[in-house]
Amino acid sequence: DQQVKQNSPSLSVQEGRISILNCDYTNSMFDYFLWYKKYPAEGPTFLISISSIKDKNEDGRFTVFLNKSAKHLSLHIVPSQPGDSAVYFCAARFAGNTGKLIFGQGTTLQVKP
Amino acid sequence: EAGVAQSPRYKIIEKRQSVAFWCNPISGHATLYWYQQILGQGPKLLIQFQNNGVVDDSQLPKDRFSAERLKGVDSTLKIQPAKLEDSAVYLCASSPVGGQGRRGYGYTFGSGTRLTVV
Repeated sequence: DQQVKQNSPSLSVQEGRISILNCDYTNSMFDYFLWYKKYPAEGPTFLISISSIKDKNEDGRFTVFLNKSAKHLSLHIVPSQPGDSAVYFCAARFAGNTGKLIFGQGTTLQVKP
Repeated sequence: EAGVAQSPRYKIIEKRQSVAFWCNPISGHATLYWYQQILGQGPKLLIQFQNNGVVDDSQLPKDRFSAERLKGVDSTLKIQPAKLEDSAVYLCASSPVGGQGRRGYGYTFGSGTRLTVV
């Protein structure tokens, strides 16, 4: 039962253009959504999050959009840089105090110079 | 602040052997998580500790996996006996209680231990 899905295994964009990574979820009990970035041989690093009561959160070049009615969120990176090339994981947190996260399968982003 | 430390970085064992992984979380973080990441998949929670108590171990294969967090600080994850399908990266993460950090609910991962079972 895949509660968090990233349907695109990979994405390739040109440097300077926008990268859009997508994520869908099924459980209405999630209260926070997060994006993690992972380089090879390293652990995932936290990138940006959004509360379920918001529809947008921005941090520099990174913006996350949440569409609750569609149970869909997206990460926009503008402008994309070669250093952004990594695996991006979408994650969702169950409401409550445990902090448990459910991760999607990941999308590999390649930004070409 | 120092990050989450894990060791070893890599381990190759034969099936049916045993293996143990060690994790030292960020100082002061009450919550510690062990995740398993199989190639091509997202991390999957195996077990979550709050201080030295287990909060969630519903996805831990208890016939072969065990974990402990003595004194509410370091933790070890053990597999005995290992199977081929246990080949994965084992990630440890930590967070303040409930996962709430300075930037929301993102917690900090270590670099992981890559296990290969042959």
